[in-house]
Parts: sequence; C-alpha cells; structure tokens
Amino acid sequence: EAQVTQNPRYLITVTGKKLTVTCSQNMNHEYMSWYRQDPGLGLRQIYYSMNVEVTDKGDVPEGYKVSRKEKRNFPLILESPSPNQTSLYFCASSIGIGRKNTGELFFGEGSRLTVL
Amino acid sequence: AQSVTQLGSHVSVSEGALVLLRCNYSSSVPPYLFWYVQYPNQGLQLLLKYTTGATLVKGINGFEAEFKKSETSFHLTKPSAHMSDAAEYFCAVSDHTSGGGADGLTFGKGTHLIIQP
Repeated sequence: EAQVTQNPRYLITVTGKKLTVTCSQNMNHEYMSWYRQDPGLGLRQIYYSMNVEVTDKGDVPEGYKVSRKEKRNFPLILESPSPNQTSLYFCASSIGIGRKNTGELFFGEGSRLTVL
Repeated sequence: AQSVTQLGSHVSVSEGALVLLRCNYSSSVPPYLFWYVQYPNQGLQLLLKYTTGATLVKGINGFEAEFKKSETSFHLTKPSAHMSDAAEYFCAVSDHTSGGGADGLTFGKGTHLIIQP
C-alpha cells in the first residue's frame, strides 16, 4: 500500500530535549516536505526536499533541521525544542514538483508534538 | 509570488444543502489547482485537481470544482451536503514552473465545513 509514515504520532517532551520525527514514503517519490498546522494559520511549510541531498527552507524553518540521505526518508529534527514548536506536523511527498509533474501531495497522518 | 485566499475560515450548511467553498488565487502563470480534505485526526488527502483541459473537474465524494481563469477562482461545490462531509478543506496552487529555492506550492489557510443536522 502506498503510504507516508510518520513517527511518533504523539509526543510530549520538555524544552531543550532534542527530538526527531521520522518520515518515510514507499512510493519512490523525489519530493518531500514538512508542514506544521496551527489553528487559524493553516499549513505552513518548514522545509522541503527536491531530491536526495537537496533541501531548502520553507516559510518557517527556524528551530528545525532536516536531512535527505535516502530517497524514502526525510526526518525532521528539533535540536532544542521550545513551547512555540507545539504543533501538529505533517510530512508529505510527491512524485515531483515542476513542469513534468502536477505536484499532487501524499500526506502522512500527522505527528502531534507538545513541548512543555 | 503566488497566493491563495479561502473566503471564510468556517462555513456552516444544513444537511442536504448546497456546499460552496471559495478559493481565489493569484499566479503569474496558469497554475495547477488542488483541493485537499482533512477529516478529524487524519492527514490531508486529495479531493480533486485541475491541471489542463476541462475546467470543471470532479472529485471524490460528489465534490466538483470549476477553474475560472477570468475570475482567478477555483470554488469547490457539492449539491447536497452529508454529515460525513464535515472536515477541513484546503485549496492549493502550484505554479509548476518555479525554481531557485521555491517549490511553487502554496496552500490557503483552510475552511472548516460544519454540517448542521
């Protein structure tokens, strides 16, 4: 089954304790992206990756890191989480973005993160 | 830069009534347009999309949307609302020609659809 898998789905942590949210897709997609969803603000892009070893900042990258060492995986790293990073996070993938592709996204089920 | 505006953060309709969710965009090139739906406690899933060709596109669950270039709109409609349609709906635009540090995808802020019994 084609899917985007995120882990953990729920996490409560404390300020400053490094954490990683994993994202894996099994569709051989080139493009992957992280979003955070907050009430009244919709979806805001954190980072995206056009392909392996190619990553770029989205609209709200501060406080986050990503890596794309393999095509299927795109982990989101919070080196020193703060309470303002409490949010619902979504990973998404697409066959590609650009002239050759429509940019249709496949989303994971979300990771709800609470930073105390 | 492109943008997406969804009119109304919350829309409430009665069961059986017409659903109309509005989306307007700005883009320097003919865009690809999408509607995504997010059911409670789930991720987003594609409802329908417009790329080229017929401007009236049909999606899942009886929804459809019409691309109107002159109005820069891509409104989502459904003739008769069901209780199961209660969800968050997101309009998105891809200008599919961008590069240089931007992926060309822009989402609206979402519209929460409430169905009254």
